[in-house]
Amino acid sequence: AQSVAQPEDQVNVAEGNPLTVKCTYSVSGNPYLFWYVQYPNRGLQFLLKYITGDNLVKGSYGFEAEFNKSQTSFHLKKPSALVSDSALYFCASEGGTYKYIFGTGTRLKVLA
Amino acid sequence: SQTIHQWPATLVQPVGSPLSLECTVEGTSNPNLYWYRQAAGRGLQLLFYSVGIGQISSEVPQNLSASRPQDRQFILSSKKLLLSDSGFYLCAWRPGGQGLNTIYFGEGSWLTVV
Repeated sequence: AQSVAQPEDQVNVAEGNPLTVKCTYSVSGNPYLFWYVQYPNRGLQFLLKYITGDNLVKGSYGFEAEFNKSQTSFHLKKPSALVSDSALYFCASEGGTYKYIFGTGTRLKVLA
Repeated sequence: SQTIHQWPATLVQPVGSPLSLECTVEGTSNPNLYWYRQAAGRGLQLLFYSVGIGQISSEVPQNLSASRPQDRQFILSSKKLLLSDSGFYLCAWRPGGQGLNTIYFGEGSWLTVV
């Protein structure tokens, strides 16, 4: 069965420091992977996706993600964190059957 | 450009009362439509999805039902709400057809059953 795991419930980082939010996947076939962000009481906003090609994917708000096939990971990164980046982040995969599998979410807290 | 509208934004309903949440998508045709529930501000549970008018797939048997009376309209309903139906409900869409597509979410509806 396909799955997406986010091993950290919460990540704390100081403002200005680089941040990483981890995601690992287990899918059959080619992995199609996404990152979303959710601010309090809002819907999920699309950040970026990996389909094929370059392993480093750039997205919205300065975020990027690194696809690593050997480690089956798709970690979200940002070189310099902002307090406004504090939110809930979801990793997801698309299984080609109209369904999307979401991780359990990682709460990012950026400290001023 | 495409937009998704979901309403009402918040709803407080007594146990045993009916429910109707609506979602519409603009700027596209024949989208795939989804209802998710998010409990305790964390994981997403897929409730229903639809690939066309009148075509509804249920992922979790429960007290809820979904309907798609028009191409870009998706409705989540219940005849009698339970306390356990409380949560944050999210409608979502993606372009129809085969191939990889990004799924996009509405702003959500908070349901509190009292």
